Parts: sequence; structure tokens; C-alpha cells
Amino acid sequence: DAGVIQSPRHEVTEMGQEVTLRCKPISGHDYLFWYRQTMMRGLELLIYFNNNVPIDDSGMPEDRFSAKMPNASFSTLKIQPSEPRDSAVYFCASSHRDRATNEKLFFGSGTQLSVL
Amino acid sequence: RKEVEQDPGPFNVPEGATVAFNCTYSNSASQSFFWYRQDCRKEPKLLMSVYSSGNEDGRFTAQLNRASQYISLLIRDSKLSDSATYLCVVNLSGGSYIPTFGRGTSLIVHP
Repeated sequence: DAGVIQSPRHEVTEMGQEVTLRCKPISGHDYLFWYRQTMMRGLELLIYFNNNVPIDDSGMPEDRFSAKMPNASFSTLKIQPSEPRDSAVYFCASSHRDRATNEKLFFGSGTQLSVL
Repeated sequence: RKEVEQDPGPFNVPEGATVAFNCTYSNSASQSFFWYRQDCRKEPKLLMSVYSSGNEDGRFTAQLNRASQYISLLIRDSKLSDSATYLCVVNLSGGSYIPTFGRGTSLIVHP
């Protein structure tokens, strides 16, 4: 398996522009997570899905952020409009929650977002 | 109080040294615990799970203390390649599955 695939690896945009981050989870995984990592706040959970359904989005900073999971193999995180304080590394992670795998998270390589 | 707390370090140790990190968690309902390793500019990767009875994987030993609500990671005979940030992760049980990360402890192993 190729692992969790995120795109793009790097995104540089100007304030006010729309940004869309993409994630392909590992096939067969039923949980998908979006995290944001900054030096100041560490890894923060933004939202997670179970079987394509959003379960908890309490970590989404504000209405400018939205996430979708139209099917089991694809998710997007959108920021509209983007602001400089959104600059961070955004990670997608997936897992299959059962006793055998013990809830291990597998991360993608992340998207480094810079909003100028 | 943060849900999962770690000393950010850095811990600066010579090769061959033994080093230990602790991680405290606030929710007594937490059921599963993990240590992840993150190299600079890379994604976190699972290092090891933490079991109630404690567990060992080569030079790495993980312990859980439910009474005091902390987990620990011990690294023996440190290698240069152990230099990284170590993140502890705590999961709640039941319907609430929210893996919560600590901010990580930085380890630097020098020659």
C-alpha cells in the first residue's frame, strides 16, 4: 500500500485566496483525521471522519475552514478565505480501529501551507 | 490544564546515555496510549503502544501509571539516530475516539 497520500506538498498563496488540501487514506481504513501543526500549538486535531461521516469538527478554527469526505478514498480540507495565521503544516491521518491494530494512526507527508 | 502535557526539552544527551521522558494526561477515562516519533520536517510515525503492564521494544521501554496519570518512555544506549521529537498520544475509549497529541519532547543525541 502506498500509505496516506496528501497533495500538494507545499502551497504558497496570498491572503484572501481559497486553499484546498487533499488526502487519500489507506485503503480499508475507516477513520480519517485532519491535524494542523505549528510551533506554538503543536499538533491540533481539526476534524475527523468515521466511515466518511464527520464525527467531531470542534477543532475547526472558524467558518473559513470546511472539510468533506465524499467517499472512502478521498477527503478535502478547504480554507476560504485564507489568512496569514493559517500558515502551518496540515497533516491527514487514517486508521482502522480494532483491537488488532490498536488504533494506530498513519500520517501522510503533510502540506506545508504559507499564506502571505 | 492541557489534556496531554510533555516537557518540550530539548534533552541533550551523549551517545550511549539513558534518557527518559514523561507525559501526563488529564482525563482519567483515557484508555489507550502511544508514543510517536517525529523527525524534522517529517510526519509523525508510531514508535510503540503503551500497555498497562509496561512493554519493551529493544532499547525502548514504555510504562503506564494510571494512578498518577502519566506514561513514560525510556531509551537506553542512545544512538545519534534517536534524535527526534517524541510525541505522546492519548485516546479516550468508547464512542469518543479522539487521539490527542502532546506537543512533544525534543531529544538531541550528540557524539
